[in-house]
Amino acid sequence: EAQLVESGGGLVQPGRSLRLSCVGSGLTFSNYAVHWVRQAPGKGLEWVSGIYWAGGGTGYADSVKGRFTMSRDKAKNSVYLQMNSLRPEDTALYYCGYDLTPGGLESWGQGTQVTVSS
Amino acid sequence: DVILTQSPLSLPVTLGQPASISCRSGQSPVSSDGHTYLNWFHQRPGQSPRRLIYKVSNRDSGVPDRFSGSGSGTDFTLKISRVEAEDVGIYYCMQGTHWPYTFGQGTKLEIK
Repeated sequence: EAQLVESGGGLVQPGRSLRLSCVGSGLTFSNYAVHWVRQAPGKGLEWVSGIYWAGGGTGYADSVKGRFTMSRDKAKNSVYLQMNSLRPEDTALYYCGYDLTPGGLESWGQGTQVTVSS
Repeated sequence: DVILTQSPLSLPVTLGQPASISCRSGQSPVSSDGHTYLNWFHQRPGQSPRRLIYKVSNRDSGVPDRFSGSGSGTDFTLKISRVEAEDVGIYYCMQGTHWPYTFGQGTKLEIK
């Protein structure tokens, strides 16, 4: 079964760093974009960042710009989210999502929990 | 950023009755390729979101035909013709035309 598998979440102190990973299992990233979307406890969905698989161009939400960096490894069929200078408000379940078609965000992983607390 | 405003935010519905959710966009989500990448997702408690409708009115595979999407310009609607117990959860509209992708605030559907 094709799925996205996230990993790398955990409990981290404010100001520290964390690196999330997302691998396509049975699903090969090809065209279009892969994204990170987060959901704070009891809140709605917030797009965090995206990367165009083919060219590697990236985009970020204003709330994370300058602190988070998204990258990809084509050989490993994986994307990453390097999160620096973490804040308590970054606490959320982080989902990896994939555009099988433009603007589609059809495929989602199960999420990895990030908790920023002292 | 494209702001999406959903209403209502809470939707109590009797089983078997219809339900409707509105999504208004602050600007047109029509892409330069002519498509409108306005999607609807359903999220049950403890689960990842699942896409129901793509490009305004197209149902995803396996989505019951009681779900329908419509709209144009900046006004979009998700309708459920007859609500079933499995439809509870939160519904989100999302635009994938412009980066950053944006979501509506979510509409919580519950059974009366």
